[in-house]
Amino acid sequence: EPEVTQTPSHQVTQMGQEVILRCVPISNHLYFYWYRQILGQKVEFLVSFYNNEISEKSEIFDDQFSVERPDGSNFTLKIRSTKLEDSAMYFCASRAGQGDGYTFGSGTRLTVV
Amino acid sequence: GESVGLHLPTLSVQEGDNSIINCAYSNSASDYFIWYKQESGKGPQFIIDIRSNMDKRQGQRVTVLLNKTVKHLSLQIAATQPGDSAVYFCAERAAGNTPLVFGKGTRLSVIA
Repeated sequence: EPEVTQTPSHQVTQMGQEVILRCVPISNHLYFYWYRQILGQKVEFLVSFYNNEISEKSEIFDDQFSVERPDGSNFTLKIRSTKLEDSAMYFCASRAGQGDGYTFGSGTRLTVV
Repeated sequence: GESVGLHLPTLSVQEGDNSIINCAYSNSASDYFIWYKQESGKGPQFIIDIRSNMDKRQGQRVTVLLNKTVKHLSLQIAATQPGDSAVYFCAERAAGNTPLVFGKGTRLSVIA
């Protein structure tokens, strides 16, 4: 069964450093998402991406965040200057069309120290 | 604002019993609902979905019930097994490419 693949599975970074979280969505999917989950809390929407542009973003997704689909395969989330409160699981998801279900990756655990 | 929430944060059931996990939603524009299972250290795993034009949908050992009148969603798991132990999230979405909104999650513990 096709999977959404995320790398790395765990990243530790120092506060103020830039991090890039990588995702390979399912190949025929057109809609891409990033969500995050702070430990013990619910999954929160960050950003959706379609047709090479952001379609919607939450208030969490401020100027420190950016997304990119650099090569038609990868979908990346960049945090320019990490803060302690950015520590969370970050999930990538994709779906084929508006009427289709979402497939989530296994997540990247980001720890900011 | 609009939100999705859960009645019970934890649920413990005996192996073999049926489990019912509940969810309340407040966005009357939501037309698509999903239940996800999340095991420790993993991403949300799709269990079952339902659209607003239905009030019941069944899968293998799972049933989702939707009551639009009271904005309530439930997940029923028949003959609960130890492998069902996980956190269960409901999620809802309004029409179009609006993002999924997740509820807080219920932890299901199956007692062998």
